[in-house]
Amino acid sequence: QKEVEQNSGPLSVPEGAIASLNCTYSDRGSQSFFWYRQYSGKSPELIMSIYSNGDKEDGRFTAQLNKASQYVSLLIRDSQPSDSATYLCAVSGPTFGRGTSLIVHP
Amino acid sequence: SAVISQKPSRDICQRGTSLTIQCQVDSQVTMMFWYRQQPGQSLTLIATANQGSEATYESGFVIDKFPISRPNLTFSTLTVSNMSPEDSSIYLCSVMVGVGYGYTFGSGTRLTVV
Repeated sequence: QKEVEQNSGPLSVPEGAIASLNCTYSDRGSQSFFWYRQYSGKSPELIMSIYSNGDKEDGRFTAQLNKASQYVSLLIRDSQPSDSATYLCAVSGPTFGRGTSLIVHP
Repeated sequence: SAVISQKPSRDICQRGTSLTIQCQVDSQVTMMFWYRQQPGQSLTLIATANQGSEATYESGFVIDKFPISRPNLTFSTLTVSNMSPEDSSIYLCSVMVGVGYGYTFGSGTRLTVV
């Protein structure tokens, strides 16, 4: 049974800070990794995908992958109140984690 | 990425009845995925629908309860049969159109069974 683990939070950060979201996965053979953002009452939307070890940056978002540790993370720089949402980690399969609730307070 | 039209967006149904949810994709895709998301929970995969073959169901989900049709490469339906209040949830369809695009979701169907 493939598993994707995330801390459910909530993670609360002040506006302008860096938010760090983490995810671990059980299937060592996984090749594709995704971060989704889900606002309350809405469907998930893809914000980052990563396939190889290291960092991938897109605007204020950086995804980090460490396959040896089976660990994926998402950093959000200069966090804004509009970033307040649930962030879902997903692994090829597709298998989703339970999500981490992020609250960015002014 | 693909655009998915999912309907209905919400419905309130009587227990014992059935509801069919439709998803239309604006491009041809090999696989379509159906998920359930209960309040405060993550996405649970119900089944994977391939065109021209039987859907593949995940553990805990059976065809009699959640029959799926996939008549062509742009359309699929999920039926929730003989509903009970425990079936109240959000149902989402999803597709992957290619490597690097991740999974795109429909807008979801919010089902309430009374």
